[in-house]
Amino acid sequence: KNEVEQSPQNLTAQEGEFITINCSYSVGISALHWLQQHPGGGIVSLFMLSSGKKKHGRLIATINIQEKHSSLHITASHPRDSAVYICAAGPNFGNEKLTFGTGTRLTIIP
Amino acid sequence: DGGITQSPKYLFRKEGQNVTLSCEQNLNHDAMYWYRQDPGQGLRLIYYSQIVNDFQKGDIAEGYSVSREKKESFPLTVTSAQKNPTAFYLCATTPQRSGNTIYFGEGSWLTVV
Repeated sequence: KNEVEQSPQNLTAQEGEFITINCSYSVGISALHWLQQHPGGGIVSLFMLSSGKKKHGRLIATINIQEKHSSLHITASHPRDSAVYICAAGPNFGNEKLTFGTGTRLTIIP
Repeated sequence: DGGITQSPKYLFRKEGQNVTLSCEQNLNHDAMYWYRQDPGQGLRLIYYSQIVNDFQKGDIAEGYSVSREKKESFPLTVTSAQKNPTAFYLCATTPQRSGNTIYFGEGSWLTVV
């Protein structure tokens, strides 16, 4: 079964700082998901990527297939970015085979 | 608005009781999933369904049951056989089984008292 590891587990930064959250996985995948979990518990999908880089607003996700590594970057961080960020990696077929990381708790201080 | 509705948000269960968590979607998605989240652990799959009247066990199905009688609905029953049911439960959907963005509900907190 795929193993997914995230780092750091907790991250506190000042508003405006550039944030990087890392995700490493152990086996080949077809899709890597980045999710955001709000304090109330609901989860929102931020990105799904299998190669290269995707950007949405201040968020950027990259993946290096050879190194089995993905990063989520947040530029010009804001207190509303405070949340738990989760990566999930899946094999070649079947969303039911996704393995989820334990999450990175991000706190942005005004 | 299209989305996934989970209810109730908070539920307290006495030991020995069965409880059912509701998950309804109006996204017209084929695949639906139930996950359990515990502190310090990643989401774990309980059950999933790819089509009406069919569902499959996930990694931690023991003590749980589901049904998929309608495309829109995928209720999860936490039975008395589940020894440690206190957790946060999330329902999710995808348009098809593979390679899609995952949509999550707001979750249900279950506490055994």
